[in-house]
Amino acid sequence: SQKIEQNSEALNIQEGKTATLTCNYTNYSPAYLQWYRQDPGRGPVFLLLIRENEKEKRKERLKVTFDTTLKQSLFHITASQPADSATYLCALESDGGATNKLIFGTGTLLAVQP
Amino acid sequence: DADVTQTPRNRITKTGKRIMLECSQTKGHDRMYWYRQDPGLGLRLIYYSFDVKDINKGEISDGYSVSRQAQAKFSLSLESAIPNQTALYFCATSGRLAGGPQTDTQYFGPGTRLTVL
Repeated sequence: SQKIEQNSEALNIQEGKTATLTCNYTNYSPAYLQWYRQDPGRGPVFLLLIRENEKEKRKERLKVTFDTTLKQSLFHITASQPADSATYLCALESDGGATNKLIFGTGTLLAVQP
Repeated sequence: DADVTQTPRNRITKTGKRIMLECSQTKGHDRMYWYRQDPGLGLRLIYYSFDVKDINKGEISDGYSVSRQAQAKFSLSLESAIPNQTALYFCATSGRLAGGPQTDTQYFGPGTRLTVL
């Protein structure tokens, strides 16, 4: 079955550094991959989408890469700030692009220290 | 005003009770989803609906049922609640805006925290 792995341990970094989060998956070839941010007690909020034919996507301080050979996506936050502290979820499209069904990873908790 | 709303936001109930969680959206999307989130397990899909006449089971539909009363409303019911249904429940929307292009992003509501004693 489809499996998505994200760093289960919290990632602690210093303000101003680049945070890099990893999402690995098996047993599927998703049409696209998405990253969401979730704050405690709140719903996930969409950040970026990258399609299978794209290697990299950027939005302000965020960058996502997608390597379909390695079956891996990396999510970078440059010049990190304490306000970036949250859980970040990776989600894969799971139905060949036909239905927008997503499978979510368990998320990585990022803590940016001032 | 929020685009996706969920009621109630918190609910404590007892084993065996029937519970309904409601979701409404003003985004005009045709697709709606119900997820539950548990610590260490992430978000798991319970049911999804691509329009009023289309209802589909997700990964963990046992013990749940849904109703799509209108394009903007999607309700989740627990017919006889049990303690292992204690979780955070999220509704989400995506899809084609009225008269517009398909979107792949999902927009989540604020969640309902359900506790079954």
